[in-house]
Amino acid sequence: DSGVTQTPKHLITATGQRVTLRCSPRSGDLSVYWYQQSLDQGLQFLIQYYNGEERAKGNILERFSAQQFPDLHSELNLSSLELGDSALYFCASSYRTDNTEAFFGQGTRLTVV
Amino acid sequence: KNQVEQSPQSLIILEGKNCTLQCNYTVSPFSNLRWYKQDTGRGPVSLTIMTFSENTKSNGRYTATLDADTKQSSLHITASQLSDSASYICVVGGNLIFGKGTKLSVKP
Repeated sequence: DSGVTQTPKHLITATGQRVTLRCSPRSGDLSVYWYQQSLDQGLQFLIQYYNGEERAKGNILERFSAQQFPDLHSELNLSSLELGDSALYFCASSYRTDNTEAFFGQGTRLTVV
Repeated sequence: KNQVEQSPQSLIILEGKNCTLQCNYTVSPFSNLRWYKQDTGRGPVSLTIMTFSENTKSNGRYTATLDADTKQSSLHITASQLSDSASYICVVGGNLIFGKGTKLSVKP
C-alpha cells in the first residue's frame, strides 16, 4: 500500500457526461500529480499541484481541470466525456517536487460508453 | 523536446536468467532518474531513484546505472523470477517525464 488513495476504483459513464476523480495523497506529501494511461500506452502527465497551487501542466485537455484543496487532497474533473477518454487515471504524491520519492495510487479506471 | 525512450519495447526471458533494460533521455534540466515497476492494471511502484551525481543504485536483484554524460540509464535484473513479469518504466525529472516502458515476461 503506497498510502495514496484514489476513488472511485472504477467508473462507467456515458459520452457527454462529467465525472470527478479524487486523490488523497500520503500524509505529509505536498505535491500531487495526475496521469492518464490509455490502453497499452505509457503514462501521460496531465498536471501537478504543489501545496494548493498549480505547479506544472502537461498534455491536459481543456475539458479537464484539477484542483488541490487546503487539506491537500486533489480532484480531477473530466467533462464532455468522449470514448477516447476511457483510460486509467493515476494520482501520485511526493513531499516536494525535486528528488523526493513519488508514490502512486492504484488508479481509477474510467470507461466511457 | 523532453523525451524518454526505452528499449526494447518488450522482452521475454526464462526464469533465472538476467536481463538489461535501456533508457535514453533528452530531458533538461536533469534532476533525477527513476525506475518504476508496473504490474498490469496497478499503479507504478518505485524501484530506484538516482540523482545527477549517482551512477549506480541497487535494490535487491535490481541494479540501475546512470551515465549523465551520454544521458543513458539501464536497469539490470538478476536471476529473474516469474513475479518480475511487469512493465518497467524509466522516469526523468521533477515533473516525472515517463518513458513508454519495457514489458518484461518471465517464463518458467
